[in-house]
Amino acid sequence: NAGVTQTPKFQVLKTGQSMTLQCAQDMNHEYMSWYRQDPGMGLRLIHYSVGAGITDQGEVPNGYNVSRSTTEDFPLRLLSAAPSQTSVYFCASSRSSGRYWETQYFGPGTRLLVL
Amino acid sequence: DAKTTQPTSMDCAEGRAANLPCNHSTISGNEYVYWYRQIHSQGPQYIIHGLKNNETNEMASLIITEDRKSSTLILPHATLRDTAVYYCIVSRYGGSQGNLIFGKGTKLSVKP
Repeated sequence: NAGVTQTPKFQVLKTGQSMTLQCAQDMNHEYMSWYRQDPGMGLRLIHYSVGAGITDQGEVPNGYNVSRSTTEDFPLRLLSAAPSQTSVYFCASSRSSGRYWETQYFGPGTRLLVL
Repeated sequence: DAKTTQPTSMDCAEGRAANLPCNHSTISGNEYVYWYRQIHSQGPQYIIHGLKNNETNEMASLIITEDRKSSTLILPHATLRDTAVYYCIVSRYGGSQGNLIFGKGTKLSVKP
């Protein structure tokens, strides 16, 4: 298993540009999520999904869109990049035991710089 | 989900036990204590979790006080590779949506 993969590893954008951060997992996990981590801070939840076709907002959703058309993929779209979105973005996935969600597995991260 | 309080940083000598404390005085009965760590800006890595009993796995031990208001993560023989930021998180078992709320964690520095 490749686990959770993220592309690209690093990206530079200009203010106002749009882009999509890719996240994929090959563990057949129902739950997937996106976090951002600013320097010296913990992770903050952007959006999450509990299954294909189901998404919801986390703590800091403004400026980001998500969709979940397949179990494997959970792309994060930046609609109009702003310098405040400069951060490291992590994708995570987890499976359901039927009654609860199990351990989360994280991807290696995408480092985004918005000029 | 209950909030947690951790020291900002700690040092530990290589080969010694590292004891990382966490306070979670507002924890409720159906909330678990999770520990994750993040090595040098990599993605966080799960370590261990528990409800009320002490837990041990191949990575660490988790000691939860009887009133469940605090816990300690123990790395029995710390190595240089254990240098990382350690996050203590309190949540219902994954939460209804599986969400985890990360604080700033404890930066553990293991020194030779």
